[in-house]
Amino acid sequence: DAKTTQPTSMDCAEGRAANLPCNHSTISGNEYVYWYRQIHSQGPQYIIHGLKNNETNEMASLIITEDRKSSTLILPHATLRDTAVYYCIVRFNTGTASKLTFGTGTRLQVTL
Amino acid sequence: GAVVSQHPSWVICKSGTSVKIECRSLDFQATTMFWYRQFPKQSLMLMATSNEGSKATYEQGVEKDKFLINHASLTLSTLTVTSAHPEDSSFYICSANTYSNQPQHFGDGTRLSIL
Repeated sequence: DAKTTQPTSMDCAEGRAANLPCNHSTISGNEYVYWYRQIHSQGPQYIIHGLKNNETNEMASLIITEDRKSSTLILPHATLRDTAVYYCIVRFNTGTASKLTFGTGTRLQVTL
Repeated sequence: GAVVSQHPSWVICKSGTSVKIECRSLDFQATTMFWYRQFPKQSLMLMATSNEGSKATYEQGVEKDKFLINHASLTLSTLTVTSAHPEDSSFYICSANTYSNQPQHFGDGTRLSIL
């Protein structure tokens, strides 16, 4: 699986959009970009994933550059409950045995 | 949505004992489940892939005789930490897929403390 690079930490004011970048310059053509987050002492929570096109769901938006070498997760109106470690992961969608490899993630701190 | 349940959520036991952790898929069948370990202030590290009806596949450096995995049904995988020692204290998390092109869903983890 391709390696990803994320900033170690970020701050965001409550109510503002949080934009979390991820670099995956060695991604291959059939690898998807996944985002998970982990709130302290809990298991990771799935947020969103995409291949080429931008994606949006009730939690977030995922913007993938045209060359697919980087992406940005957008939380449109961050709240204190969004404080967590956010992981950007790339993986093949080749069957249920396809592994997720976690990097160090970005620690997002949402403040009042 | 898909739910993965782990039990127990927290366990404390004496050094030398064996501890079993259960991972269940509550509303779907999972032919494959994954076991991770997470030390404080570190990321999740994949330990093994649990395959229903066959042997688990362990990641490099993970002792298969130390961490026994059984996946006897499509909804249950167990991880047994045998002869646990303080250095085995960690946060153990399982996950499972519903279908091949769907995201993995994670349990809430088991915090293991060995005294």
